[in-house]
Amino acid sequence: AQSVTQLGSHVSVSEGALVLLRCNYSSSVPPYLFWYVQYPNQGLQLLLKYTSAATLVKGINGFEAEFKKSETSFHLTKPSAHMSDAAEYFCAVIPPGGTSYGKLTFGQGTILTVHP
Amino acid sequence: KAGVTQTPRYLIKTRGQQVTLSCSPISGHRSVSWYQQTPGQGLQFLFEYFSETQRNKGNFPGRFSGRQFSNSRSEMNVSTLELGDSALYLCASSFSTGPETQYFGPGTRLLVL
Repeated sequence: AQSVTQLGSHVSVSEGALVLLRCNYSSSVPPYLFWYVQYPNQGLQLLLKYTSAATLVKGINGFEAEFKKSETSFHLTKPSAHMSDAAEYFCAVIPPGGTSYGKLTFGQGTILTVHP
Repeated sequence: KAGVTQTPRYLIKTRGQQVTLSCSPISGHRSVSWYQQTPGQGLQFLFEYFSETQRNKGNFPGRFSGRQFSNSRSEMNVSTLELGDSALYLCASSFSTGPETQYFGPGTRLLVL
């Protein structure tokens, strides 16, 4: 079964520093990959998604992610953290093939803390 | 366009009761998926409906069920509630059947006492 691993349940950065949140997937065939963000007491909001077009994907709020097939990774980055980026981030995957398009499999989440 | 709406937002029930949660997708979206979010298990897929048919189902007991109506609105039901069913239940909608973006609602927080 398809799975996704997020390394680091908590990441802490200073305001203005680089944000790097790690995500690795387990599949020999590249899946569809997503990053979502969840603010307290809210649902999930899509940051960006990879669907086999460009390997460098730009999302909202200055975030981007690079798909690396050789490393089975899809890490999320932002050059300069802002206090408003403090939230929980989820990497998610949909396997290719068409039978489970409506089923997102999520990583365990990474809580991002931004210090002033 | 209005986003995905879920009702109620908060719910308190006691063990053994049953509960029904409602989800209205974004206008024009025909696929609705449900997820359970808990601190221990994270986000887990419950089921997905498209055009009133269940297309996928997660690994949850039969106490968890759902349905979708002709207007794409969906409900999920949990019977014989257990303490472990306390969770945030999230509904997501997408336009059709491809690997499309799922848009999430704010969730229904269920507390079982």
